[in-house]
Amino acid sequence: KAGVTQTPRYLIKTRGQQVTLSCSPISGHRSVSWYQQTPGQGLQFLFEYFSETQRNKGNFPGRFSGRQFSNSRSEMNVSTLELGDSALYLCASSLGTRTYEQYFGPGTRLTVT
Amino acid sequence: AQSVAQPEDQVNVAEGNPLTVKCTYSVSGNPYLFWYVQYPNRGLQFLLKYITGDNLVKGSYGFEAEFNKSQTSFHLKKPSALVSDSALYFCAVRDAPYYGNNRLAFGKGNQVVVIP
Repeated sequence: KAGVTQTPRYLIKTRGQQVTLSCSPISGHRSVSWYQQTPGQGLQFLFEYFSETQRNKGNFPGRFSGRQFSNSRSEMNVSTLELGDSALYLCASSLGTRTYEQYFGPGTRLTVT
Repeated sequence: AQSVAQPEDQVNVAEGNPLTVKCTYSVSGNPYLFWYVQYPNRGLQFLLKYITGDNLVKGSYGFEAEFNKSQTSFHLKKPSALVSDSALYFCAVRDAPYYGNNRLAFGKGNQVVVIP
């Protein structure tokens, strides 16, 4: 099976702009989660989608949003970018039940200048 | 909230020696614990998990972990380290025990350096 894919892999944006990141989960996986990884804060949970519904949300401002499509692909959007949004954004997919591990994509490296 | 702690920043070990990466957890209810590894410029790779059952869990690439309820620990181990094991290792716990939640809380990570 193909793994989790994320596009684009690298992105450079300017403060104030918005950005959309895309994630395609492993075939058959219905849960998609997003995480932000920074040197200072480590790995932090953003949100999780399951069957097109957001069922968990982390402690991030409303500028961070996401959605999931009927084919389980997911996008996350960050509006009004700030310098502190520079990070590696990781997407993970899972079959969806509580005992299953998550499989991560390679991430999108976002740099905000 | 559930949490894990990885007390060491870096673990140095000689190639061929046993490798241990420490993790302690704090949870309400039953812990669902995971270990992941991250290589440079890559995402996280799943190594192993503890849900219930045997306290010794075997995972990928020769890694295993020992769940210790009395010490609230879930240390990652490998009997003989390889140079290729040099990477960043994360311990994680499912952040809430209820069904329908995949939210993970991660430790800060441990850099493992295997010296040839």
